[in-house]
Amino acid sequence: GQQVMQIPQYQHVQEGEDFTTYCNSSTTLSNIQWYKQRPGGHPVFLIQLVKSGEVKKQKRLTFQFGEAKKNSSLHITATQTTDVGTYFCATRSGGYQKVTFGTGTKLQVIP
Amino acid sequence: DAGVIQSPRHEVTEMGQEVTLRCKPISGHDYLFWYRQTMMRGLELLIYFNNNVPIDDSGMPEDRFSAKMPNASFSTLKIQPSEPRDSAVYFCASSHLGPEGGEQFFGPGTRLTVL
Repeated sequence: GQQVMQIPQYQHVQEGEDFTTYCNSSTTLSNIQWYKQRPGGHPVFLIQLVKSGEVKKQKRLTFQFGEAKKNSSLHITATQTTDVGTYFCATRSGGYQKVTFGTGTKLQVIP
Repeated sequence: DAGVIQSPRHEVTEMGQEVTLRCKPISGHDYLFWYRQTMMRGLELLIYFNNNVPIDDSGMPEDRFSAKMPNASFSTLKIQPSEPRDSAVYFCASSHLGPEGGEQFFGPGTRLTVL
């Protein structure tokens, strides 16, 4: 099955700094999804990208799908303490809905 | 809608005991997923169903694990006998394949501790 790797595994930033996490695959992806999991919580869907080179924004979050559809990134501008959590990329494959999750990037924001 | 409902939220049991985790998906969703999350292995897909039929159970660790979906509104994940290495958070998720489909809605999870 498809595998997606995320970097970095952990990131500590000062509040107000920017943050970026990257998701990489050795194979072409048909789509990429991003989820956020707060400490002690459950993964919550953020967005789905399907087009080559696609860029979507949600307030301070910018999501990008690579031109070759083998990588994706999530960028947070001016982090806030509410951004703390683990960010997962995931890809949906096959005719069914099987979703493979990346390893996740744990973000800690220092006030 | 109340979202995906899981029970119990916490379970502490002794090695060798049977454990049953329960899930009620969002009404109208035709896919149901069971995941396990640990620090070491991250978020692992165990099994998923489409219209109550198991589609892929390749993630089920071993024969001690079994899952059923007797109807569209209920699923169980059973571990018999349980072992300490089964300690983890187990999530159930549901989704519906539509034009913008693919979004998975996760339940709050069941934190399982096997002593």
